[in-house]
Amino acid sequence: DIVMTQSPDSLAVSLGERATINCKSSQSVLYNSNNKNYLAWYQKKSGQPPKLLIYWASTRDSGVPDRFSGSGSGTDFTLTISSLQAEDVAVYYCQHYYSIPFTFGPGTKVDIK
Amino acid sequence: EVQLLESGGGLVQPGGSLRLSCAASGFTFASYAIYWVRQAPGRGLEWVSVISGSGGSTYYADSVKGRLTISRDNSRNTVNLQMNSLRADDTAVYYCAKAAPPGGKGVYYATDVWGQGTTVVVSS
Repeated sequence: DIVMTQSPDSLAVSLGERATINCKSSQSVLYNSNNKNYLAWYQKKSGQPPKLLIYWASTRDSGVPDRFSGSGSGTDFTLTISSLQAEDVAVYYCQHYYSIPFTFGPGTKVDIK
Repeated sequence: EVQLLESGGGLVQPGGSLRLSCAASGFTFASYAIYWVRQAPGRGLEWVSVISGSGGSTYYADSVKGRLTISRDNSRNTVNLQMNSLRADDTAVYYCAKAAPPGGKGVYYATDVWGQGTTVVVSS
């Protein structure tokens, strides 16, 4: 099974500042035949279902603000919130969908400093 | 509007059974894989199972294999998760979610629409 790790476990960022979350997979999630990274990012707020932010490692889902961006390839990925807003307080999870089981990372909690 | 609505959660004793349902609307149901993901109290997200759009392919996490069975009825736009031999560590909020576009035959997709979840508590 592919193991997903995230860093940091939590971070506090001032409003308007940048937040950066890292995700690492234990093996590559890049499928060479289509050159796609099978990696997604989700935002989870308390009492709400997860919300898809990014898929294929860097494609923003419809309606997601452009302050959210994803980057990386192979085994190392990053979610960046370019200018943190109050409504971005949440736990963020990366997930691969390269092979069964589609494991999630442990999550990164983002708070306001 | 694309919607998923889970039902069937509740309190069950260890060793008991429960059947969760996920009712879908607003999209071509048979074209998309449906997933179940759970979150235990105070824990992170755990992928549980997936069924392809046709229903011909099903997959499970090792933690539930042999105890949970996923199925779908494309005539009723519904996916079910039959849960048997339930254990305390199955206690969680269970979400169903659909594959992100373009969908198709496979299951190797992110999930773009999620239901609100249904709570399963396994306790004596």
